[in-house]
Order: sequence, then structure tokens, then C-alpha cells
Amino acid sequence: GQNIDQPTEMTATEGAIVQINCTYQTSGFNGLFWYQQHAGEAPTFLSYNVLDGLEEKGRFSSFLSRSKGYSYLLLKELQMKDSASYLCAVWGFKTIFGAGTRLFVKA
Amino acid sequence: DTEVTQTPKHLVMGMTNKKSLKCEQHMGHRAMYWYKQKAKKPPELMFVYSYEKLSINESVPSRFSPECPNSSLLNLHLHALQPEDSALYLCASSPPSGGPPTDTQYFGPGTRLTVL
Repeated sequence: GQNIDQPTEMTATEGAIVQINCTYQTSGFNGLFWYQQHAGEAPTFLSYNVLDGLEEKGRFSSFLSRSKGYSYLLLKELQMKDSASYLCAVWGFKTIFGAGTRLFVKA
Repeated sequence: DTEVTQTPKHLVMGMTNKKSLKCEQHMGHRAMYWYKQKAKKPPELMFVYSYEKLSINESVPSRFSPECPNSSLLNLHLHALQPEDSALYLCASSPPSGGPPTDTQYFGPGTRLTVL
């Protein structure tokens, strides 16, 4: 089976850096994805990790350690528009989404 | 064309109605998905089509009936739904091999369904 854990909520200040953690247990692993979802909208693909290490994409970076079953999403230079839910999704036999972390960015 | 479209955006139906949700993509993607999402919950996988064949059915009740007429279109036929089926229904597609991982999913805007 698969199990994914993320913090429920986080608050950060505009311009700061925030790290959203995700731990997972899975019987098979092909990759890990991060999605952003604004309230009332569809999820948007942000990044993926297949191998261990850091993947950087503009203000967003994602890290993976397969041996630890651990990933994080790093958001730099936070903007108000980054207030959203961030979903960690693990691709085993199929892709399962974590419950998401609601990020509130305050001025 | 780099998007997944879904119609209608909103749907209100009675428990005896029959309606259909439509999803379309023209990105050459070969896998398409239906998800159900309740407020403040993650998307729950319902069905996966791969190369126009149903590959995953997550034990969804038969009142939901998927159909994939061709590689660009995915329908979800609804019949005799219950009020607890009210949710956001999301369609997604994912690319073939050669680029991002083949399970990278691109979502449509969703259909917000209310069952009275």
C-alpha cells in the first residue's frame, strides 16, 4: 500500500523561504510529483523527482531521498499568489495524492 | 494546444437524471484520468484509460460509467447519483514516454457537480 504524510497548514511571510515536507511509504516507487492547487481550481503540475537529489525550477525546488522516503518542496521569494495547497503525489503502481499542505503567505 | 478542457463547468442534477461530463485534450497524451475531489481533500482516483483502454477502475460504483471514444476524448456518464456524489470532478492526461515521467498529470479545470 501507499501512505503519504504532509503538514496540514503552514504560514510564511512574503519574501521569505518555506519548505514543505512530505514523507511516504510505498510498495513500489517510480517518482514523486508536487502540484499546486488554488482554492476552487484544478491542481497544476510543479515538479517531479525520479532520482535522489535536488531539482530546481525558478523559485521552486524539490528534493528527494528515496532511501528515507522523504521529499520537500522549497519555495523562495514568497509572493502572496503562492498562497495555495501543495500536494505531494507518489507514483507507484498508480499515483496517489497526499492530503496537501495549505500555505498561507502573509504580508 | 497545451491544455485539458472540461465541460460543463458546473452541473446541477437530480437523483433520477442522466448526464455526462466531457474531457478533451489535443496534446497527444495517451493516458487519461477521472478524479473526484471533495472540499479540502486530495483528488481521489476513479478511472484510468491507457491507449483508450480502461486500465484502472478504483471500485467506483456503477452509477459512474466512463467512456473513451478516442485518444483525445474522455466521458463520464452519470446516472442515479446520490447527494454525496456532489464534488469537483477532475480530468487529467499524461504524456507518453520521452519527456517528463509518463504519470505526470495535467489537469482540466474540473466540473463542479451538485446532486440534489
